[in-house]
Amino acid sequence: QKEVEQDPGPLSVPEGAIVSLNCTYSNSAFQYFMWYRQYSRKGPELLMYTYSSGNKEDGRFTAQVDKSSKYISLFIRDSQPSDSATYLCATTGFQKLVFGTGTRLLVSP
Amino acid sequence: EAQVTQNPRYLITVTGKKLTVTCSQNMNHEYMSWYRQDPGLGLRQIYYSMNVEVTDKGDVPEGYKVSRKEKRNFPLILESPSPNQTSLYFCASIARPGTPSSYNEQFFGPGTRLTVL
Repeated sequence: QKEVEQDPGPLSVPEGAIVSLNCTYSNSAFQYFMWYRQYSRKGPELLMYTYSSGNKEDGRFTAQVDKSSKYISLFIRDSQPSDSATYLCATTGFQKLVFGTGTRLLVSP
Repeated sequence: EAQVTQNPRYLITVTGKKLTVTCSQNMNHEYMSWYRQDPGLGLRQIYYSMNVEVTDKGDVPEGYKVSRKEKRNFPLILESPSPNQTSLYFCASIARPGTPSSYNEQFFGPGTRLTVL
C-alpha cells in the first residue's frame, strides 16, 4: 500500500465550478500536510500548508485535514482556466516527504 | 530573489558515464532534498539533507549519491547511470522542517530532464 494515495484524474470542470481534490494517507504519525501546484514543464510550487487537523483558507483555496480518517482535501472555488495544472498532495512526520501521484485538473472556459 | 537553481536543465548521456546534477539555494535553508518524477509514480524522494554533512536516504536511493559540504549546495551524483534513471529530477529546499511554521517556506528547482541511453 502506498503511503499516500491520490486519484490521478484527469478531472475536467467548467470555469466557475468548485473543485474538490483528495488524498488519503496511511501513517498516523504524519503531522504536516501540503498541497502543491505544478504547471507543465515546471517545478512544483507550494500552494497550501496545514499543520495537524483543521481547515486553512487562502483566497479561493481551502485545505482540509481530517486526521481521524487520514483524509486530505483541497477545495478550489470559482475555478479558472489558469488553475489547470497538476495538484500534488504531500505529507511528512518530520524528515521524509511523501507525495501523492498528483491529480491533473483541467478547467475549461 | 529566493530561488533554487539546478544545472543542467537537460542532459542526454550514455550508460555508465558519471554525471553530476548541481543544486543551489540562496535562502540559507537547512533542509535540501532530491526527487525524481516519473509518470504514474509521482514524486519520489531520493536523498535528503537536514544540514551540512547530514544526509539520509529517501525512498529510491539506489544508484545515486549526494554530498552536503556547504549549506547552499546539494549535488546529485550518478556514478554509473543506467536507462532506468531516465527521469525528471527536482531539487528542493525547506527552511527548517519539524516546526509548525517551517513548511511555509519551501521551494523547488525548475527540474533537470535526464535521458540515459
